[in-house]
Amino acid sequence: DQQVKQNSPSLSVQEGRISILNCDYTNSMFDYFLWYKKYPAEGPTFLISISSIKDKNEDGRFTVFLNKSAKHLSLHIVPSQPGDSAVYFCAASASGERGKLIFGQGTTLQVKP
Amino acid sequence: DTGVSQDPRHKITKRGQNVTFRCDPISEHNRLYWYRQTLGQGPEFLTYFQNEAQLEKSRLLSDRFSAERPKGSFSTLEIQRTEQGDSAMYLCASSHNLGTNYGYTFGSGTRLTVV
Repeated sequence: DQQVKQNSPSLSVQEGRISILNCDYTNSMFDYFLWYKKYPAEGPTFLISISSIKDKNEDGRFTVFLNKSAKHLSLHIVPSQPGDSAVYFCAASASGERGKLIFGQGTTLQVKP
Repeated sequence: DTGVSQDPRHKITKRGQNVTFRCDPISEHNRLYWYRQTLGQGPEFLTYFQNEAQLEKSRLLSDRFSAERPKGSFSTLEIQRTEQGDSAMYLCASSHNLGTNYGYTFGSGTRLTVV
């Protein structure tokens, strides 16, 4: 049972344009969401998070949007840079289970110069 | 402190052998987590510790897997009688108590290949 889904295995965008990565979840108990970035041969790196009491959180070029009614979140990267090329994972946790993150399958982003 | 350290980076073992991995978390972090990642999938939760107490263990973790954090600092993950299906990247992470506010810090992982 895949509770967090990233339905696009890959995404390719031109440098300077917007990258939009999507994530859907099924468990209504999830109330905290995170995005991680992973380069080859490295562990995932925390990027940005959002609590369910918000619908948007912004940090520099990265913005996460949360639509609770649709159980959907997205990560926007503007402008995209070649160094953003990596695998992006969304993850979720539930109140009372903060020790456990449930990850999606990941989306490989390629930003072309 | 250079982050979360995992040792070894790579391990090749024969089926049926036991293996042990070590994780050294960020020193001021009191939570430590183990995850497993297979090709094309996201990290999958295995277990986590708060200080030396193991607070949760995934149902996916068979009895062949055991983890310890004896003094609330480093942790070990042992797999007994390895099987080919155990081949994966084993990731360790650490965080403060309020881990979700800051996100975990992951190590680079130990890649296990069972032949």
